[in-house]
Amino acid sequence: AQSVTQLDSQVPVFEEAPVELRCNYSSSVSVYLFWYVQYPNQGLQLLLKYLSGSTLVESINGFEAEFNKSQTSFHLRKPSVHISDTAEYFCAVANSGGYQKVTFGIGTKLQVIP
Amino acid sequence: NAGVTQTPKFQVLKTGQSMTLQCAQDMNHNSMYWYRQDPGMGLRLIYYSASEGTTDKGEVPNGYNVSRLNKREFSLRLESAAPSQTSVYFCASSDWTSGGFNEQFFGPGTRLTVL
Repeated sequence: AQSVTQLDSQVPVFEEAPVELRCNYSSSVSVYLFWYVQYPNQGLQLLLKYLSGSTLVESINGFEAEFNKSQTSFHLRKPSVHISDTAEYFCAVANSGGYQKVTFGIGTKLQVIP
Repeated sequence: NAGVTQTPKFQVLKTGQSMTLQCAQDMNHNSMYWYRQDPGMGLRLIYYSASEGTTDKGEVPNGYNVSRLNKREFSLRLESAAPSQTSVYFCASSDWTSGGFNEQFFGPGTRLTVL
């Protein structure tokens, strides 16, 4: 069985400040890791993913996440947030073989304060 | 391309009523999913269809049924709605090819309230 823990349900941060959203996972097999973003009243969109290779992955809008196998973590970071980053962020894990069941964390609401 | 569409966007039911949530995708994806989203619980998989003609239970299937009508459409039916089924329902689709994970594309959601 696989599981995801998002340690913070809400993270308030001032505009242009850095932010880190924490995610830890557990799984008995190799995994793929993801961050999804959900803007108000919308569905989820894939922000970035780790499948293999470089442990540091980046999105087009300045977010990055680093896969740390020893700490079973996949924290999401951005050096300088904007108002438009206000959203809910979901960490997710999928097994890497066969049918890929995706398990989502409970989400972290990022509130960017002007 | 519209991506994944869901109807209706909002619905209010009384306990015991039935309804069907519709989902369609125009990306020629093989796999489709139904999730529910509840505060503090993230997304939980209700049912999925790995390919046309197959459906399987997810984490929370009780009280729901699904139909994979064709490759494009995957509907979710509540036969006798209960207040515990008040939630936001998301449909998603993806495609499987060997060698890597395929992104799930989500619809905009259906907000269901059961009184």
